[in-house]
Amino acid sequence: KAGVTQTPRYLIKTRGQQVTLSCSPISGHRSVSWYQQTPGQGLQFLFEYFSETQRNKGNFPGRFSGRQFSNSRSEMNVSTLELGDSALYLCASSFVAAAPGGPRRTDTQYFGPGTRLTVL
Amino acid sequence: QKEVEQNSGPLSVPEGAIASLNCTYSDRGSQSFFWYRQYSGKSPELIMSIYSNGDKEDGRFTAQLNKASQYVSLLIRDSQPSDSATYLCAVRDNYGQNFVFGPGTRLSVLP
Repeated sequence: KAGVTQTPRYLIKTRGQQVTLSCSPISGHRSVSWYQQTPGQGLQFLFEYFSETQRNKGNFPGRFSGRQFSNSRSEMNVSTLELGDSALYLCASSFVAAAPGGPRRTDTQYFGPGTRLTVL
Repeated sequence: QKEVEQNSGPLSVPEGAIASLNCTYSDRGSQSFFWYRQYSGKSPELIMSIYSNGDKEDGRFTAQLNKASQYVSLLIRDSQPSDSATYLCAVRDNYGQNFVFGPGTRLSVLP
Protein backbone atom coordinates (compact mmCIF):
# COMPACT_ATOMS: atom_id res chain seq x y z
CA LYS A 1 0.00 0.00 0.00
CA ALA A 2 1.25 3.45 -0.80
CA GLY A 3 1.82 5.67 2.20
CA VAL A 4 0.49 9.12 2.94
CA THR A 5 1.56 11.64 0.33
CA GLN A 6 1.81 15.39 0.73
CA THR A 7 2.39 18.03 -1.88
CA PRO A 8 4.30 20.17 -2.31
CA ARG A 9 7.23 19.08 -0.16
CA TYR A 10 8.69 22.57 0.07
CA LEU A 11 7.18 26.02 -0.30
CA ILE A 12 8.51 29.53 0.04
CA LYS A 13 5.99 32.33 0.37
CA THR A 14 6.00 35.93 1.49
CA ARG A 15 4.01 37.57 4.24
CA GLY A 16 0.41 38.27 3.32
CA GLN A 17 0.18 35.54 0.68
CA GLN A 18 -1.95 32.46 1.00
CA VAL A 19 -1.01 28.83 0.56
CA THR A 20 -2.78 25.54 -0.07
CA LEU A 21 -1.27 22.21 0.97
CA SER A 22 -2.52 18.83 -0.12
CA CYS A 23 -2.62 15.43 1.55
CA SER A 24 -3.62 12.07 0.13
CA PRO A 25 -4.23 9.45 2.82
CA ILE A 26 -3.47 5.77 2.64
CA SER A 27 -6.00 3.97 0.47
CA GLY A 28 -8.99 3.00 2.61
CA HIS A 29 -8.27 5.57 5.31
CA ARG A 30 -11.01 8.14 5.68
CA SER A 31 -9.60 10.27 8.49
CA VAL A 32 -7.02 12.98 7.84
CA SER A 33 -5.52 15.08 10.61
CA TRP A 34 -3.27 18.09 10.13
CA TYR A 35 -0.46 19.17 12.44
CA GLN A 36 1.98 22.04 12.59
CA GLN A 37 5.48 21.29 13.86
CA THR A 38 7.89 24.03 14.91
CA PRO A 39 11.05 23.86 17.03
CA GLY A 40 9.50 26.10 19.66
CA GLN A 41 5.98 24.70 19.93
CA GLY A 42 6.47 21.10 18.89
CA LEU A 43 3.75 19.16 17.15
CA GLN A 44 0.39 20.89 17.43
CA PHE A 45 -2.97 19.62 16.23
CA LEU A 46 -4.73 21.80 13.65
CA PHE A 47 -7.85 19.89 12.65
CA GLU A 48 -9.21 16.53 11.64
CA TYR A 49 -11.55 15.55 8.85
CA PHE A 50 -13.40 12.44 8.01
CA SER A 51 -16.33 11.82 5.74
CA GLU A 52 -15.76 15.32 4.35
CA THR A 53 -16.60 16.91 7.73
CA GLN A 54 -14.36 18.67 10.21
CA ARG A 55 -14.55 16.55 13.36
CA ASN A 56 -12.09 18.27 15.66
CA LYS A 57 -10.24 21.53 15.69
CA GLY A 58 -7.17 22.70 17.52
CA ASN A 59 -6.43 26.13 18.88
CA PHE A 60 -5.39 27.96 15.71
CA PRO A 61 -6.74 31.20 14.23
CA GLY A 62 -9.35 31.21 11.47
CA ARG A 63 -6.62 31.87 8.89
CA PHE A 64 -6.06 28.14 9.00
CA SER A 65 -8.78 26.17 7.27
CA GLY A 66 -9.19 22.86 5.58
CA ARG A 67 -11.48 20.63 3.67
CA GLN A 68 -11.80 17.04 2.60
CA PHE A 69 -13.01 15.65 -0.66
CA SER A 70 -15.14 12.59 -1.36
CA ASN A 71 -12.01 10.57 -2.17
CA SER A 72 -10.66 11.41 1.33
CA ARG A 73 -7.94 13.69 -0.01
CA SER A 74 -7.61 16.79 2.11
CA GLU A 75 -6.35 20.31 1.61
CA MET A 76 -5.23 22.83 4.16
CA ASN A 77 -5.25 26.54 3.44
CA VAL A 78 -3.47 29.31 5.29
CA SER A 79 -4.43 32.84 4.36
CA THR A 80 -2.57 36.07 5.09
CA LEU A 81 0.66 34.30 5.92
CA GLU A 82 2.74 35.51 8.85
CA LEU A 83 6.41 34.87 9.58
CA GLY A 84 5.39 32.63 12.48
CA ASP A 85 3.58 30.28 10.10
CA SER A 86 6.93 28.94 8.92
CA ALA A 87 6.82 25.31 9.97
CA LEU A 88 6.63 21.72 8.90
CA TYR A 89 3.01 20.84 8.18
CA LEU A 90 2.24 17.18 8.63
CA CYS A 91 -0.85 15.25 7.80
CA ALA A 92 -1.72 11.89 9.26
CA SER A 93 -4.23 9.36 8.04
CA SER A 94 -6.19 6.85 10.08
CA PHE A 95 -8.67 4.11 9.42
CA VAL A 96 -12.26 4.85 10.48
CA ALA A 97 -14.11 1.85 11.92
CA ALA A 98 -17.79 1.33 12.51
CA ALA A 99 -18.73 1.56 16.20
CA PRO A 100 -22.00 1.40 18.17
CA GLY A 101 -21.99 5.17 18.72
CA GLY A 102 -21.01 6.00 15.15
CA PRO A 103 -17.84 5.89 13.07
CA ARG A 104 -14.71 6.09 15.14
CA ARG A 105 -11.17 6.86 14.07
CA THR A 106 -8.74 4.18 15.15
CA ASP A 107 -5.75 5.26 17.19
CA THR A 108 -2.99 4.47 14.76
CA GLN A 109 -1.98 7.47 12.71
CA TYR A 110 0.35 7.27 9.74
CA PHE A 111 2.17 10.48 9.02
CA GLY A 112 3.08 11.83 5.63
CA PRO A 113 6.52 13.31 4.86
CA GLY A 114 5.30 16.84 5.50
CA THR A 115 5.38 20.14 3.66
CA ARG A 116 8.10 22.54 4.76
CA LEU A 117 6.66 26.07 4.53
CA THR A 118 8.96 29.06 4.78
CA VAL A 119 7.41 32.51 5.03
CA LEU A 120 9.73 35.41 4.21
CA GLN B 1 -5.19 23.44 28.56
CA LYS B 2 -4.20 19.80 28.28
CA GLU B 3 -0.45 19.41 28.54
CA VAL B 4 2.06 16.69 27.91
CA GLU B 5 5.55 17.21 29.25
CA GLN B 6 8.82 15.55 28.43
CA ASN B 7 12.44 16.26 29.24
CA SER B 8 13.81 17.75 26.03
CA GLY B 9 17.22 16.16 26.51
CA PRO B 10 19.48 15.37 24.87
CA LEU B 11 19.60 12.08 26.66
CA SER B 12 22.86 10.32 25.90
CA VAL B 13 23.35 6.61 26.57
CA PRO B 14 26.13 4.22 25.52
CA GLU B 15 25.37 1.51 22.98
CA GLY B 16 23.87 -1.54 24.66
CA ALA B 17 22.50 0.37 27.64
CA ILE B 18 18.85 0.92 28.59
CA ALA B 19 17.39 4.28 27.58
CA SER B 20 14.56 5.53 29.76
CA LEU B 21 12.23 8.22 28.40
CA ASN B 22 9.58 9.81 30.57
CA CYS B 23 6.35 11.68 29.96
CA THR B 24 3.74 13.26 32.23
CA TYR B 25 0.30 14.48 31.25
CA SER B 26 -2.19 16.83 32.87
CA ASP B 27 -5.58 15.50 31.77
CA ARG B 28 -6.86 12.72 34.02
CA GLY B 29 -9.43 11.82 31.37
CA SER B 30 -6.72 10.65 29.01
CA GLN B 31 -7.26 7.10 27.89
CA SER B 32 -4.73 6.33 25.16
CA PHE B 33 -1.00 6.85 25.17
CA PHE B 34 1.49 6.63 22.37
CA TRP B 35 5.19 6.83 21.70
CA TYR B 36 6.42 8.06 18.33
CA ARG B 37 9.95 8.14 17.01
CA GLN B 38 11.04 10.94 14.71
CA TYR B 39 14.36 10.89 12.93
CA SER B 40 15.83 14.23 11.97
CA GLY B 41 14.15 15.53 8.83
CA LYS B 42 11.57 12.75 8.82
CA SER B 43 7.98 12.41 9.98
CA PRO B 44 6.93 10.70 13.22
CA GLU B 45 6.33 6.95 13.22
CA LEU B 46 4.38 5.05 15.85
CA ILE B 47 6.43 2.75 18.08
CA MET B 48 4.05 1.76 20.87
CA SER B 49 0.57 2.37 22.15
CA ILE B 50 -0.60 1.58 25.66
CA TYR B 51 -4.05 1.83 27.22
CA SER B 52 -3.92 -0.01 30.58
CA ASN B 53 -1.82 0.47 33.66
CA GLY B 54 1.31 -1.64 33.71
CA ASP B 55 3.90 -2.66 31.17
CA LYS B 56 3.61 -3.49 27.50
CA GLU B 57 6.57 -5.03 25.73
CA ASP B 58 7.36 -5.12 22.02
CA GLY B 59 10.81 -6.36 21.14
CA ARG B 60 13.39 -4.06 22.69
CA PHE B 61 10.72 -1.51 23.65
CA THR B 62 8.66 -1.47 26.83
CA ALA B 63 6.00 1.12 27.54
CA GLN B 64 4.92 1.67 31.13
CA LEU B 65 1.74 3.44 32.19
CA ASN B 66 0.69 4.69 35.61
CA LYS B 67 -2.61 6.56 35.34
CA ALA B 68 -2.73 7.41 39.04
CA SER B 69 0.57 9.27 38.69
CA GLN B 70 -0.29 10.48 35.18
CA TYR B 71 2.98 9.12 33.96
CA VAL B 72 4.02 7.08 30.95
CA SER B 73 7.51 5.94 30.07
CA LEU B 74 9.37 4.15 27.30
CA LEU B 75 12.32 1.88 27.94
CA ILE B 76 14.62 0.90 25.11
CA ARG B 77 16.80 -2.08 25.92
CA ASP B 78 20.10 -2.79 24.21
CA SER B 79 20.11 0.70 22.70
CA GLN B 80 21.62 1.00 19.24
CA PRO B 81 23.01 4.06 17.44
CA SER B 82 20.06 3.67 15.04
CA ASP B 83 17.75 4.46 17.98
CA SER B 84 19.14 8.00 18.02
CA ALA B 85 16.09 10.16 17.31
CA THR B 86 13.53 12.36 18.99
CA TYR B 87 10.86 10.44 20.88
CA LEU B 88 7.43 12.03 21.10
CA CYS B 89 4.87 11.14 23.72
CA ALA B 90 1.23 11.61 22.67
CA VAL B 91 -1.94 11.39 24.70
CA ARG B 92 -5.53 11.09 23.56
CA ASP B 93 -8.78 11.35 25.51
CA ASN B 94 -12.09 9.78 24.68
CA TYR B 95 -13.95 13.08 24.51
CA GLY B 96 -12.04 15.36 22.17
CA GLN B 97 -10.38 12.46 20.43
CA ASN B 98 -7.52 14.81 19.73
CA PHE B 99 -3.91 13.85 20.13
CA VAL B 100 -1.78 16.11 22.32
CA PHE B 101 1.94 15.70 21.75
CA GLY B 102 4.78 16.42 24.12
CA PRO B 103 7.79 18.45 22.97
CA GLY B 104 9.87 15.31 22.48
CA THR B 105 13.06 13.97 24.04
CA ARG B 106 16.14 13.80 21.86
CA LEU B 107 18.00 10.52 22.41
CA SER B 108 21.59 10.01 21.38
CA VAL B 109 23.05 6.50 21.55
CA LEU B 110 26.83 6.64 21.53
CA PRO B 111 28.79 3.83 19.81
